[in-house]
Amino acid sequence: TQLLEQSPQFLSIQEGENLTVYCNSSSVFSSLQWYRQEPGEGPVLLVTVVTGGEVKKLKRLTFQFGDARKDSSLHITAAQPGDTGLYLCAGSFGNQGGKLIFGQGTELSVKP
Amino acid sequence: NAGVTQTPKFQVLKTGQSMTLQCAQDMNHEYMSWYRQDPGMGLRLIHYSVGAGITDQGEVPNGYNVSRSTTEDFPLRLLSAAPSQTSVYFCASSYSFGYGYTFGSGTRLTVV
Repeated sequence: TQLLEQSPQFLSIQEGENLTVYCNSSSVFSSLQWYRQEPGEGPVLLVTVVTGGEVKKLKRLTFQFGDARKDSSLHITAAQPGDTGLYLCAGSFGNQGGKLIFGQGTELSVKP
Repeated sequence: NAGVTQTPKFQVLKTGQSMTLQCAQDMNHEYMSWYRQDPGMGLRLIHYSVGAGITDQGEVPNGYNVSRSTTEDFPLRLLSAAPSQTSVYFCASSYSFGYGYTFGSGTRLTVV
């Protein structure tokens, strides 16, 4: 059974601070995705990474995929209240491309 | 372009009743999945499909059935509802491996 561990589970910070969310597995990801979810809505895709060592940037968000493809991080620079939400990592393993497993999520609150 | 459409948005069932949650996508996506989301537990995969006529079990398949007779539709059937199935259910679809998923807006199900 592949298990994704996401940390921290909760994060409350002040506007302007930086933060990092981590996603780890004991198995090798064939692909990894990050989503953001707001209350009452479905998750929305932020990024997909498939290559070990890959780094992708989306405005103030930086996503890294570990060289061994067992871990990933999401770094937010100068967080804003609009970044508040639930951040979820999700991965597929081996040749099970259609089977996407989610971590528990990180609930981020950015206070003005 | 409707994306992923889920119906109904809200449903209350009595224990032992059966029902079908509907999911349709108009993006010609091959992959479709059903998730349930409970507080503090992220999204858990119930069943998934990698194409018409092909379905497989996810992490929590017990008490649920699926079929995929067309590319567009992927209904989820609750055979005999139980209070433990009270949850928010999300349907999602993806073009193929390595592509992100598009989520529906969810069905909030309460079993009393």
